[in-house]
Amino acid sequence: SAVISQKPSRDICQRGTSLTIQCQVDSQVTMMFWYRQQPGQSLTLIATANQGSEATYESGFVIDKFPISRPNLTFSTLTVSNMSPEDSSIYLCSGSTGMNTEAFFGQGTRLTVV
Amino acid sequence: AQTVTQSQPEMSVQEAETVTLSCTYDTSENNYYLFWYKQPPSRQMILVIRQEAYKQQNATENRFSVNFQKAAKSFSLKISDSQLGDTAMYFCAFRNRNNDMRFGAGTRLTVKP
Repeated sequence: SAVISQKPSRDICQRGTSLTIQCQVDSQVTMMFWYRQQPGQSLTLIATANQGSEATYESGFVIDKFPISRPNLTFSTLTVSNMSPEDSSIYLCSGSTGMNTEAFFGQGTRLTVV
Repeated sequence: AQTVTQSQPEMSVQEAETVTLSCTYDTSENNYYLFWYKQPPSRQMILVIRQEAYKQQNATENRFSVNFQKAAKSFSLKISDSQLGDTAMYFCAFRNRNNDMRFGAGTRLTVKP
């Protein structure tokens, strides 16, 4: 199994600013993903973080708003840019080593934009 | 596109009783994996159980078991001998060869003493 450390665990930010969320995995994982979750609701996939290349974004999410980096097999960042109150949510990162393996999750970042 | 449907937003069960959470999914693929995750108030996603679509035998993990009906595209979770610590949101999830994981809307389970 893998352990994913995600930080910050929570933050309150001013609108118009940007926040970078980091995820560090204690072992190499083939795939990493970023999700958004409104409290009490399901997880929505934002993008797949590809090592050494541009992330693959889901419909409704764009790179300018959610730039993602993945410099190696154990680390990824998600930036929420030019924030507005609508970006207030929980953001989770996830990693796995293959289709047939479980996905491991970070503890989530609760973001509040004021 | 694959979709996952959980039709029970909330469920409750008495401690020590058995409860079944429903999940259906839609896919045209033959090779995929299904998961149940638990999310307590701490927000940490915890794997409960996993099922490979090519296996006919239903997966079992201690008090947790699934009823996997591939033709009906149904994947329900049964929790036996419910415990207070089982109180959480439960998400059904689907993964195919694209490797990303798609989640249902979730079922909030409350175990009552």
